[in-house]
Amino acid sequence: ELKVEQNPLFLSMQEGKNYTIYCNYSTTSDRLYWYRQDPGKSLESLFVLLSNGAVKQEGRLMASLDTKARLSTLHITAAVHDLSATYFCAPPINFGNEKLTFGTGTRLTIIP
Amino acid sequence: DAGVIQSPRHEVTEMGQEVTLRCKPISGHNSLFWYRQTMMRGLELLIYFNNNVPIDDSGMPEDRFSAKMPNASFSTLKIQPSEPRDSAVYFCASSFIREPQHFGDGTRLSIL
Repeated sequence: ELKVEQNPLFLSMQEGKNYTIYCNYSTTSDRLYWYRQDPGKSLESLFVLLSNGAVKQEGRLMASLDTKARLSTLHITAAVHDLSATYFCAPPINFGNEKLTFGTGTRLTIIP
Repeated sequence: DAGVIQSPRHEVTEMGQEVTLRCKPISGHNSLFWYRQTMMRGLELLIYFNNNVPIDDSGMPEDRFSAKMPNASFSTLKIQPSEPRDSAVYFCASSFIREPQHFGDGTRLSIL
């Protein structure tokens, strides 16, 4: 069974600071997704990482994937308040599968 | 372009009643997913369809749950009889193969 671990689970950080969220998963996979969820809202797709070494950036967020280490990171640069949300990583359960396993989520709070 | 449409947005009903949740996927998407989200268990995949055919229903909790996709533009998730432990937010998502899943706004279900 695929295990997906995110850390930290909770993160409070000041505006303007940098931080990294880590996502470790236990099986081989060919890609990985990152999602954002605001409180009481749906999930919004942020990134899809399709190969080893893939890096995607959107604004203050940058995601990377190391399939050999089974690790993905989401880096936040110069955080601003509107990045406060819960972030989920989601790899497929195995190579080529459409079924995703979502991590526990990292609840990020940006403090002014 | 309309996203994934779910109905109802909220449902409150008494234990033992039948509950039917509905989903209209994004036109052209060939995969459809039903998820359940709770504080205790996080986001769990219940079932997914590809080209209207159920591919994996291993996440369906028990026989009280059933899902159908009679055509490419409609799916239902039914709970009969409902129990208080079924209270959760149920999300429907759709996608093209290997593309990010697009989530609906969810149905917040409360079983009294």
